Amino acid sequence: ENVLTQSPGTLSLSPGERATLSCRASQSVTTYLAWYQQKPGQAPRLLIYGASSRATGIPDRFSGSGSGTDFTLTISRLEPEDFAVYYCQQHGSSPPTFGQGTKLEIK
Amino acid sequence: EVQLEQSGAEVKNVGSTMKVSCRVSPYNFTYFYMHWLRQAPGKGLEWVGVVDPEDADTKYAENFEGRVTITADTSTDTTFLELSSLRSEDTAIYYCATLAGSSLAYFEYWGQGTLVTVSS
Repeated sequence: ENVLTQSPGTLSLSPGERATLSCRASQSVTTYLAWYQQKPGQAPRLLIYGASSRATGIPDRFSGSGSGTDFTLTISRLEPEDFAVYYCQQHGSSPPTFGQGTKLEIK
Repeated sequence: EVQLEQSGAEVKNVGSTMKVSCRVSPYNFTYFYMHWLRQAPGKGLEWVGVVDPEDADTKYAENFEGRVTITADTSTDTTFLELSSLRSEDTAIYYCATLAGSSLAYFEYWGQGTLVTVSS
């Protein structure tokens, strides 16, 4: 299966700062890559699909980039509600797999 | 908007079988490939399998082959996840999830999750 590795494991930033989260796949997924946000006690929320397309209702401070094996989720200016765990997920091959997550915490 | 309503929390014994449901509304159920995923306490997300309600075709993750059955009841717009021979490591929140009108396996809509606790 295609293993996704996210970095860093934890990112400590302040509101207003820029966040850059990385996801690397062990095999190419072209652009079949999605990003999710998960807050405690909630189901994940789709942010980005197709590596760079924002899901419905997602603010434009969230952006995704990359193709092949290397991907980035950028949050341009952090809002208090953005502090959460973020997962990347590939669906270029079966089974769909997830990264282990990046926890974005308030500094 | 698509709503996924899951059944309530369960406590099961080691070696028993769990069965969790997920009802889709208000759209035509056969429009959605219904996936099941799980998340162990404090851990990441794991895909379990998928069913196409239109023809009941299923696909499962290798880790669960032989223990898992996913079904779809088009008369009630409900999908079911059954997992047998439960072990303590099956303790997790189980989610149903889907993407409207596509066989692509990323997930726009999620159920609220069902906590299944397996105890000895």
